[in-house]
Amino acid sequence: NAGVTQTPKFRILKIGQSMTLQCAQDMNHNYMYWYRQDPGMGLKLIYYSVGAGITDKGEVPNGYNVSRSTTEDFPLRLELAAPSQTSVYFCASSRDRGRAYEQYFGPGTRLTVT
Amino acid sequence: GIQVEQSPPDLILQEGANSTLRCNFSDSVNNLQWFHQNPWGQLINLFYIPSGTKQNGRLSATTVATERYSLLYISSSQTTDSGVYFCAVLTYSGAGSYQLTFGKGTKLSVIP
Repeated sequence: NAGVTQTPKFRILKIGQSMTLQCAQDMNHNYMYWYRQDPGMGLKLIYYSVGAGITDKGEVPNGYNVSRSTTEDFPLRLELAAPSQTSVYFCASSRDRGRAYEQYFGPGTRLTVT
Repeated sequence: GIQVEQSPPDLILQEGANSTLRCNFSDSVNNLQWFHQNPWGQLINLFYIPSGTKQNGRLSATTVATERYSLLYISSSQTTDSGVYFCAVLTYSGAGSYQLTFGKGTKLSVIP
């Protein structure tokens, strides 16, 4: 299994541009998540999904959109990039909900908005 | 929301030394994970530990949920242990969903 994969690894955007960060998992996990990590900080939850067709906001959703059309894929969309969105973005997945779940993380996408 | 505090924020060790990292949390949690973020940014799961003690090689973790803290022990440290160690707690966020809240991490540097 490849686990959780993310593309691209690095990206530089100009202010106002749009892009989609891709995330895929091959573990047949129901739950998927997007986090951002700012320098010197822990991760903060942007959006999550409990299954295909179901998404919900996390702690810091403003400026982002998500969709979940399949179990495997969970793309994150930035519509009008702003310098405040410069960060490292991590996608994660977990098997199930509730107490007995452990999150597995992708390698991250480093995004710079200038 | 729940607060997660990690200490110390920075730690420098001589290779071969032992260390203890601490994670305090402000409310009851359903579970707790420890991660190692290596110098290349990859997050690696270390332990999934709601209570009790687990060991994996030179690393072990103990969570005392009733007292709202967890400890990560690193023995005989190696330079490859360098990186940032994160504690993350799992809490119920409503509508049948659970979320992880991360601490700010402990940055560990192991010098030869």
